[in-house]
Amino acid sequence: ETGVTQSPTHLIKTRGQQVTLRCSSQSGHNTVSWYQQALGQGPQFIFQYYREEENGRGNFPPRFSGLQFPNYSSELNVNALELDDSALYLCASSSGPTGDNSPLHFGNGTRLTVT
Amino acid sequence: RKEVEQDPGPFNVPEGATVAFNCTYSNSASQSFFWYRQDCRKEPKLLMSVYSSGNEDGRFTAQLNRASQYISLLIRDSKLSDSATYLCVLMDTGRRALTFGSGTRLQVQP
Repeated sequence: ETGVTQSPTHLIKTRGQQVTLRCSSQSGHNTVSWYQQALGQGPQFIFQYYREEENGRGNFPPRFSGLQFPNYSSELNVNALELDDSALYLCASSSGPTGDNSPLHFGNGTRLTVT
Repeated sequence: RKEVEQDPGPFNVPEGATVAFNCTYSNSASQSFFWYRQDCRKEPKLLMSVYSSGNEDGRFTAQLNRASQYISLLIRDSKLSDSATYLCVLMDTGRRALTFGSGTRLQVQP
């Protein structure tokens, strides 16, 4: 069974640039959620994708957007990067939408630094 | 006010000690509760779910008090390997998301 994999592991970008982060869900999982974890904080929910549709969204501006592909892998795109976007971005997959008690399996995360 | 409040610690305890963490939450619509563990620079991992009747998994005991909106985690006979940050997590089915506390850091010392 292949776990959740994220790429890249580390990334440095400049303020105003755009970034794309990628996530491959665990085999058999059809739901992907993205979380942002700032230093010293708990993860904050960005959004969730279920069967290629956005299925829920947290309090993040529209410059945070995403996609889910037919193989259930996912991308997180962030436009017009700001210094406060520096964080660990976590992808989690599950066998159903959060709310049906499907446990989340997290990837190792992508550490984004914006300078 | 944060939705989930935790004492950030650190809690420094000797091996073999018993340690307890508490967590309060403000959203009474929360329906499911969990404790996650996160090692330094790693992803969070589910430690255990928390049930209203209380539940135990080996050295770990979790309790939920819905009336007081309060969750606890008790670790008995602490091991060095228990050193980590413990995240209190709740789920609001309506938002399809987990809400994490900021975590409590535990350092078990030899």
